[in-house]
Amino acid sequence: GENVEQHPSTLSVQEGDSAVIKCTYSDSASNYFPWYKQELGKGPQLIIDIRSNVGEKKDQRIAVTLNKTAKHFSLHITETQPEDSAVYFCAAKRNLNAGKSTFGDGTTLTVKP
Amino acid sequence: DTGVSQDPRHKITKRGQNVTFRCDPISEHNRLYWYRQTLGQGPEFLTYFQNEAQLEKSRLLSDRFSAERPKGSFSTLEIQRTEQGDSAMYLCASSSTMEQYFGPGTRLTVT
Repeated sequence: GENVEQHPSTLSVQEGDSAVIKCTYSDSASNYFPWYKQELGKGPQLIIDIRSNVGEKKDQRIAVTLNKTAKHFSLHITETQPEDSAVYFCAAKRNLNAGKSTFGDGTTLTVKP
Repeated sequence: DTGVSQDPRHKITKRGQNVTFRCDPISEHNRLYWYRQTLGQGPEFLTYFQNEAQLEKSRLLSDRFSAERPKGSFSTLEIQRTEQGDSAMYLCASSSTMEQYFGPGTRLTVT
């Protein structure tokens, strides 16, 4: 089955700096890669996603890159703000009709003011 | 529509008791998913419905767990004869396309 590894497990940056979180996956059939932000006591919130036919996607301060050959994808947050502090999860999924998404173990991001 | 809702938000039960959780998906979403999340881990897939049909079940879903989605709307997840290892956050998500939207979860504590 699919295995998703996420690094680092914790990340601390100064406000205004950039943060990068990396994930690798094992199943070459995976073609959908979402990123979620989870705040304390809440469910994961989808923040950005990328499909295998795209190498990069950007939405304001966040961007995701995908290297399908190397089976890794990354989340980039620029100009970090204290409200970006949360746990971030990457995930991988095969297709719409495959119910299962496989998640990484999360990265706790702390943005220091 | 305010998103996926789950009830209750917290449940404390004694070992051996049965518990049932409810999930109300976003109204136009035909797909519904259950996940379990323990501290420091990502969500682990449990089961998936398309409309009322349960299409996929994880090996994590032992015989003590059962999920239903009658009429393809809300879903329930029941755990029978709870064990301390069942203590976790149970998350529900729904989708109509690839994007899954999660509810706030039900935190179960088994004492």
